Amino acid sequence: GQNIDQPTEMTATEGAIVQINCTYQTSGFNGLFWYQQHAGEAPTFLSYNVLDGLEEKGRFSSFLSRSKGYSYLLLKELQMKDSASYLCAVRDGDYKLSFGAGTTVTVRA
Amino acid sequence: NAGVTQTPKFQVLKTGQSMTLQCAQDMNHEYMSWYRQDPGMGLRLIHYSVGAGITDQGEVPNGYNVSRSTTEDFPLRLLSAAPSQTSVYFCASSTGVGDGANVLTFGAGSRLTVL
Repeated sequence: GQNIDQPTEMTATEGAIVQINCTYQTSGFNGLFWYQQHAGEAPTFLSYNVLDGLEEKGRFSSFLSRSKGYSYLLLKELQMKDSASYLCAVRDGDYKLSFGAGTTVTVRA
Repeated sequence: NAGVTQTPKFQVLKTGQSMTLQCAQDMNHEYMSWYRQDPGMGLRLIHYSVGAGITDQGEVPNGYNVSRSTTEDFPLRLLSAAPSQTSVYFCASSTGVGDGANVLTFGAGSRLTVL
């Protein structure tokens, strides 16, 4: 099974940087995913890490340390539209994806 | 290209009633799954399928049935609705195993209220 922890809420100012941490314990690790979910909408894919290190995708970066069971999502140059819930998810084996409870990020002007 | 289509978007049931949430995808995805999302609990996997004729249980399968007679369709059946099944339900699909991220594409969600 999975045990995935991430903070419940974070608040940051427009233009700033926010780092969302995720720790996990899993019986079989096969990738870590980050999804974004705006209120009332479906989750959409942001990033994927299967090897240790940093993956950069524009204003968003994701880091993974498999030995520590740790990942973070870094959001740079925050914009108001980045206000959303960010979901950390771990793939167990070939298919199943287990999600954390999500971190609600509020961006203030 | 419609992606993942879920129906209905909203449904109100009385305790004990049964219903089916429909899910269809047009991306020829092998993997399909159903999640429920409740406040403070994140997305929890109900059932999943790795191909036509193959289904398996996820984290919270009790009270739900699924079938996968075609690649495109993966309906979720509530056998006898209970207030604890009040939730937002998401269907999601992906290409399955292989290179790439096996990224899930989600439907828009179905909001179910059981009175």
